Amino acid sequence: ETGVTQTPRHLVMGMTNKKSLKCEQHLGHNAMYWYKQSAKKPLELMFVYNFKEQTENNSVPSRFSPECPNSSHLFLHLHTLQPEDSALYLCASSQDPGSSYNEQFFGPGTRLTVL
Amino acid sequence: GQNIDQPTEMTATEGAIVQINCTYQTSGFNGLFWYQQHAGEAPTFLSYNVLDGLEEKGRFSSFLSRSKGYSYLLLKELQMKDSASYLCAATDSNYQLIWGAGTKLIIKP
Repeated sequence: ETGVTQTPRHLVMGMTNKKSLKCEQHLGHNAMYWYKQSAKKPLELMFVYNFKEQTENNSVPSRFSPECPNSSHLFLHLHTLQPEDSALYLCASSQDPGSSYNEQFFGPGTRLTVL
Repeated sequence: GQNIDQPTEMTATEGAIVQINCTYQTSGFNGLFWYQQHAGEAPTFLSYNVLDGLEEKGRFSSFLSRSKGYSYLLLKELQMKDSASYLCAATDSNYQLIWGAGTKLIIKP
């Protein structure tokens, strides 16, 4: 595997379900990100982890819970979601989040549908 | 507040040239990125500008004017595979990326 991988690619869940999204980066980067992408809206940064420590949490509802066990893996645990949470969830990684040249490498995303 | 503006959708003809504009307002500025995103796929890096001027990379070029808070992406010799969304993102004083909503580019034969 190369780059940034995400599983599953598609997920349909009911509002009472609990599920998890997984992201893995094979680039040796230090930082990992979760973004939400909705149609015709800017990417919304949800969480940032730098060296496994959470550095950003942009007012995300508690029904989204991130976990970063090491610098290569990132999870997003989902529970009691709402239909408006349906979106594409993108994971990204970068080498140096504290520099101006902070190129982020993205995974293919998980298309989430909440019924 | 911080804001990135870019057109929602543009249409161009195969073989032609298209310019996608982006204006930004951020607290501080540390460079501007352009990404390409095909439908259902990951965004991929196209270019980065931090100094004023034009950066050319094959058929794609990116321009930045820091004084005007303005950038554009220029695509030449358009091909059908260039049909995609193009995302503009500016880096603020905290090195966070502030994203635009993306410009969907439709290429017609």
